[in-house]
Amino acid sequence: KQEVTQIPAALSVPEGENLVLNCSFTDSAIYNLQWFRQDPGKGLTSLLLIQSSQREQTSGRLNASLDKSSGRSTLYIAASQPGDSATYLCAVRAQKLVFGQGTRLTINP
Amino acid sequence: DAGITQSPRHKVTETGTPVTLRCHQTENHRYMYWYRQDPGHGLRLIHYSYGVKDTDKGEVSDGYSVSRSKTEDFLLTLESATSSQTSVYFCAISAREGLNSEQFFGPGTRLTVL
Repeated sequence: KQEVTQIPAALSVPEGENLVLNCSFTDSAIYNLQWFRQDPGKGLTSLLLIQSSQREQTSGRLNASLDKSSGRSTLYIAASQPGDSATYLCAVRAQKLVFGQGTRLTINP
Repeated sequence: DAGITQSPRHKVTETGTPVTLRCHQTENHRYMYWYRQDPGHGLRLIHYSYGVKDTDKGEVSDGYSVSRSKTEDFLLTLESATSSQTSVYFCAISAREGLNSEQFFGPGTRLTVL
């Protein structure tokens, strides 16, 4: 059974820092990996989708990498801003989408 | 934003009553999903649909049924609500399965069963 783990569960950093969020999964037989953002009381916003054949994807200040063989993905956020404060979820797609529990990120002004 | 709406957005009901949640999409996507989100469990798949009248069970389907009579609408029904079904319910859509299967989520419905 696929398991997805995100460590740490919570992270607090000062504004302007570059940071990395981690996601690991147990079964490397995946189609793709998706990173989401969730604001309190809101739905999930898709940030990046990485296909299993890709190594990374970029969108603005966000860069996501995928190492399928080691079962790891990272989400890099450059020059963090208070508006980046949210919970970040990763999910891997095999038969179905399996989610991690998320990392709650706080950017302090 | 993907054109997904959910109704109602909030609902309080009593144990034993039937409840129906609606998901409506304007993207004409083939695949639709219902998830629930609970502290300590994350997001879990309840049911999904791969076309009109085509549905299947997910990880936590007990106590739930679904119907899809039109491409744009996917209904989730709790036949007899229980307190354990208090949760936030999310609908999601996808144009395809497998490769390139990006999912987009609705705003959620917060359900409280007293």
